[in-house]
Amino acid sequence: DVKVTQSSRYLVKRTGEKVFLECVQDMDHENMFWYRQDPGLGLRLIYFSYDVKMKEKGDIPEGYSVSREKKERFSLILESASTNQTSMYLCASSSFTGGREKLFFGSGTQLSVL
Amino acid sequence: DQQVKQNSPSLSVQEGRISILNCDYTNSMFDYFLWYKKYPAEGPTFLISISSIKDKNEDGRFTVFLNKSAKHLSLHIVPSQPGDSAVYFCAARDAGKSTFGDGTTLTVKP
Repeated sequence: DVKVTQSSRYLVKRTGEKVFLECVQDMDHENMFWYRQDPGLGLRLIYFSYDVKMKEKGDIPEGYSVSREKKERFSLILESASTNQTSMYLCASSSFTGGREKLFFGSGTQLSVL
Repeated sequence: DQQVKQNSPSLSVQEGRISILNCDYTNSMFDYFLWYKKYPAEGPTFLISISSIKDKNEDGRFTVFLNKSAKHLSLHIVPSQPGDSAVYFCAARDAGKSTFGDGTTLTVKP
């Protein structure tokens, strides 16, 4: 079974803090993604990566950055946390298998910024 | 501009009956469509998918229908079971990126 592990289940941070959300996958997947889930807005793509040291902006990258130094690890960074970044953050990984790509998600990190 | 829409935030059905969840999209470049299921406090899990070259895919109690001319897909669950109660997300893929709808909360009553 594919396992995508997010380091924290719940986080509480203060406005202006630098926040790191870590994600590790164990299936040697090339692709990794960060989404946020908000009520009424579904899952929105923040950043994704197709390979080590590569990153691409998703639909809502403002206020975020990412790091992928190793294939199995994809980190989401909030440079200066703000209250509107309070959300559920979901990491996912995938590999292309004959075009039938599907995402494997972690359990999520509920971030509260006070 | 939301490219994938699930217009029904919630749906309630009786156990044993059919559940139909709908999804509309606007981007003609989407080549692959997927449904994910999410229980509270868990990440979404893949349920079923369909390629844009097909109009139907079936897996047990779950069937996905795709109407390309209408840019519409639907997920049918029959018979519905209480364990199917969850949030269902429709997703569409283009150039390796998946775009999700807002989700529909399905409640199956015993």
